This record gives sequence, structure tokens and C-alpha cells, in this order.
Amino acid sequence: RKEVEQDPGPFNVPEGATVAFNCTYSNSASQSFFWYRQDCRKEPKLLMSVYSSGNEDGRFTAQLNRASQYISLLIRDSKLSDSATYLCVVNLNTGGFKTIFGAGTRLFVKA
Amino acid sequence: GAVVSQHPSRVICKSGTSVKIECRSLDFQATTMFWYRQFPKQSLMLMATSNEGSKATYEQGVEKDKFLINHASLTLSTLTVTSAHPEDSSFYICSARERTGANEKLFFGSGTQLSVL
Repeated sequence: RKEVEQDPGPFNVPEGATVAFNCTYSNSASQSFFWYRQDCRKEPKLLMSVYSSGNEDGRFTAQLNRASQYISLLIRDSKLSDSATYLCVVNLNTGGFKTIFGAGTRLFVKA
Repeated sequence: GAVVSQHPSRVICKSGTSVKIECRSLDFQATTMFWYRQFPKQSLMLMATSNEGSKATYEQGVEKDKFLINHASLTLSTLTVTSAHPEDSSFYICSARERTGANEKLFFGSGTQLSVL
């Protein structure tokens, strides 16, 4: 089983749609959680951190369920510019700091 | 926000040559930097963890003699691909960990596209 698993995608949605990404992690020692966005042949950019209380940034909402070891990202009113790959990222500290990336879910938003 | 500079952005070299890639944290000190490789349409794969002042920790399957990592200062880590071959052609990205109190964030360099002919 992969340490971080994401929806395989790709997701093809029309502009204005709401889209949800799911992610699960296997190591209960995971400490911090993030969503990154990566455009083609570019470096990943931090989209938002994910907290147990849930957090929202404009059209983006992230949720963390530690009991289920599940992370989600919701994008409302999707824009063409939201087209990218979304990476679920988990930080572990088991004697040494380690960052684990999910394989990413590709999103295509179409006019 | 924190900035990580990676250089060069693109390298084209002949098979058998060595290529050095630099990764600098510009406005913070990074005791830990990471090196990744990404093949087309695949996710980032961690190659190694670079620790300032000590030896790098390599992931399984990554040859330490092939991918030399040096982290001599708190703001600079280098990755040298020795005797590069066409199968080493890939997108290499570094990242640096910033700690602010109890918070930790990872910032990425802009990546280096390596093409070995």
C-alpha cells in the first residue's frame, strides 16, 4: 500500500463546477498535511496547509480526519486557471523528517 | 514568503559528463534540503535528504555515488549527477524546509530539466 494515496484522476469539469479531491495516508505518525499545486514542468507550489479543524481560503476548503487518516480538498466555482495537478503531501517525523507526496490528481477545467 | 533558488533551469549535456545543480534558500536557513526527480506524467520521487554538515540520506534505489550531494552551508545544497547517461534525463527539483516555531513548510526551487544526449 502506498504511504499517500490520491484519486487517480484525471478530473474533467466545466467552469463553475465544484470538485473534490480525496487523499488517504497510511502512517499514523504523520504530523502535518498540505495540498500543493503543480503546473506542467513547474515546481509544486503550496496551496494550503490542512488542519483538523478544517480551513478555508477563498474557493478552497481543506479538511483533515485523523481518525480515518483522510484529507480532502474542495474547490468551488472552478476556474480555467485551476487546471493543474493537485498533490497531497504528508510530513512524517519518525526519527527523521520526511515528506511524502501523493501521485497527484490532474484537474482539467473546461469552458 | 520564503524563496528557494535553483540553478540552472535547463541543462543539455553529452553522455558521460557530470552536471551540478545548485539549490539555495535565499531568505532563510535550511538545515534540511531535499532532492527529487520527476519523470514525465509521474509524481515527484524523493531521491535524498540533504543535511547541513553531514552525509545525505538516500532513498532506496538511488545510487549515492551517482548522485553526489553536498550541503556545506545552511543556504546551499548541490546535486551532482556524475557520468550522466540518457536514462538520467529528467526534471530535478530541490526543496528546503523552513521552520517557524511549531510550523514547518516546504518551499521548492523552480526545477532543472536535464537532457542527456
